[in-house]
Parts: sequence; structure tokens; C-alpha cells
Amino acid sequence: GENVEQHPSTLSVQEGDSAVIKCTYSDSASNYFPWYKQELGKRPQLIIDIRSNVGEKKDQRIAVTLNKTAKHFSLHITETQPEDSAVYFCAAENSGYALNFGKGTSLLVTP
Amino acid sequence: GAVVSQHPSRVICKSGTSVKIECRSLDFQATTMFWYRQFPKKSLMLMATSNEGSKATYEQGVEKDKFLINHASLTLSTLTVTSAHPEDSSFYICSARDVTSGGTDTQYFGPGTRLTVL
Repeated sequence: GENVEQHPSTLSVQEGDSAVIKCTYSDSASNYFPWYKQELGKRPQLIIDIRSNVGEKKDQRIAVTLNKTAKHFSLHITETQPEDSAVYFCAAENSGYALNFGKGTSLLVTP
Repeated sequence: GAVVSQHPSRVICKSGTSVKIECRSLDFQATTMFWYRQFPKKSLMLMATSNEGSKATYEQGVEKDKFLINHASLTLSTLTVTSAHPEDSSFYICSARDVTSGGTDTQYFGPGTRLTVL
């Protein structure tokens, strides 16, 4: 089955700096790669996603890049703010449309 | 955006009892829903895929007789934890796939159910 690896597990940055989280996946048939932000005790919230027909997608301070050949994709957050602090999960959609999640990255943005 | 509700949000039960959790897509029809389990500070683990009108597909290691899934309508899937034990205590989250918006494949998550088995 699909195996999604995510790094780093924890990330601490100063406010205003950029944060980068990287994921790799194993199933070359995967075509959909969402990123979720989860605050403590709450549901995961979709923040951005990318499909295999594009290499990069940007939404304000958030961007995602995809390299299908290498089977990896990354989340980039620029100009980080304290409210960006949360756990971020990458995921890859399998052939049955379910999501296989990475283990998560706990991001801390310090003022 | 699409809304998914889950009920109850929190339940505490005695060991040996059964607990039913409901997942509803409020403003779209979901032919496919998914059930995940999340332990504290861990990732979401897929338990099963729930298809409307057919049997659920369970992931390896998930006991289908213990975690009963029913997807009787296009807006409702239920997960019943039978004969619950303390090790079943976890955060259970459902998601529903909205394919009505031009086939975007976006999955929307419910708010989750915190199950505590005493």
C-alpha cells in the first residue's frame, strides 16, 4: 500500500521566517496530494492541495511543489506568524480515494 | 465549503458497551466516506472506506466485526464500536469526499469524536 514519509517531525521558526515541510510517497499512481493543518483537539483543515498535472501551486503565503518523478512534494509557508503554529499533515490519495497521511510536523512559530 | 458533521463529539462509556458514531455530509452527497482513528500526538490512520449501499472496505489489521460500518444513505455513515475496551479509546474522525464541484476530489473532515472507554 501507499507509504507517506514526512519530515521534519518538529519545526521551530521565528516569526517572519519561512517554513518548509517535505513528504515522499511510494505509490506512483497517486495523483492527489493535500496538506492539512490540525490544531489541538480539532479536525484537520485543508490548507492547500495539488494534483499531478501541475508542479506548483500557491495561495498567498502558502505554496506546494510536486515532483512526480522523484515522488516528493513540499509545503512552503512564507512570512510565518504565531497563528501558523499547529500540526501539519501531508497526504497522498490512494486508488480507493482514501488518504494516506504522513506522521505530521509540529510547527512552532515564536514571536 | 462543504460541511461534515459528526455526533457525538465526546462519549464516555463502560467497558463492554457499544458506541455508535454518526457522520453526515450536510450540504453535499457523499457516495464514499472514510473513517480514521487518531491517537494523541499521532497521525490519522485509515480504518475503513465506507461506500453507500455496499459493504465497507477495511484496512489490514482493523477488525470488521468490532468496528461496524453502515452507509445507508448518501449523507450518512455510522461507525459502531462493539464491546468497547479501554484500548479502543481514541479520536475517531470521518471524512466525506465531495465530487460535485467539478470533480475536485476534496475530502472534508468531520469534527471528530473523542471516545473514552473506562
